[in-house]
Amino acid sequence: GESVGLHLPTLSVQEGDNSIINCAYSNSASDYFIWYKQESGKGPQFIIDIRSNMDKRQGQRVTVLLNKTVKHLSLQIAATQPGDSAVYFCAESPTLFFGNEKLTFGTGTRLTIIP
Amino acid sequence: DGGITQSPKYLFRKEGQNVTLSCEQNLNHDAMYWYRQDPGQGLRLIYYSQIVNDFQKGDIAEGYSVSREKKESFPLTVTSAQKNPTAFYLCASSIDREMGTGELFFGEGSRLTVL
Repeated sequence: GESVGLHLPTLSVQEGDNSIINCAYSNSASDYFIWYKQESGKGPQFIIDIRSNMDKRQGQRVTVLLNKTVKHLSLQIAATQPGDSAVYFCAESPTLFFGNEKLTFGTGTRLTIIP
Repeated sequence: DGGITQSPKYLFRKEGQNVTLSCEQNLNHDAMYWYRQDPGQGLRLIYYSQIVNDFQKGDIAEGYSVSREKKESFPLTVTSAQKNPTAFYLCASSIDREMGTGELFFGEGSRLTVL
């Protein structure tokens, strides 16, 4: 079956530095990608999304890059803060024209910000 | 404040017992979802509902049941037929846009432990 996964399960970054979290996907027909942040003991929170017709999208301190050639997605967090410590996971959907029931979630990367 | 409320946060169950997890939202969202989260795995969809009085099985519906009698409520029952019920359960909702996915808003989760 299709899978969405992450290259690294853990990542430690010095406070103030930039961090990059990676995600690989296997379905070349994937059309919609999302990043979520999950703090310990809490539910995930939406960070940013991107359609397959885009290569890059920016939000507040975050940038998502999509490389369809190698089926790779990354989340860049600029000037990391202690509050950025969390598990980050990506999700993909084969098409924008279905509901969220078609989302496939990755396993997550734990980001730790070192003071 | 608008959001999703899950209860209880922690629940212990003896084998052979059914338990019901509550999920209430005041976001006026049409769609609601139940996910299961296990260590080292991505979120897996149990059941979802796009409209009141209608719901669909997700990828791992066996041993679970739901109801959607009100727009704001989507309780999940973990039955004794679920062979491995110990997990973190997440409820989510989204605006059911006609043409595609939308941001998922998650509750803070319910951790079920079977003794």
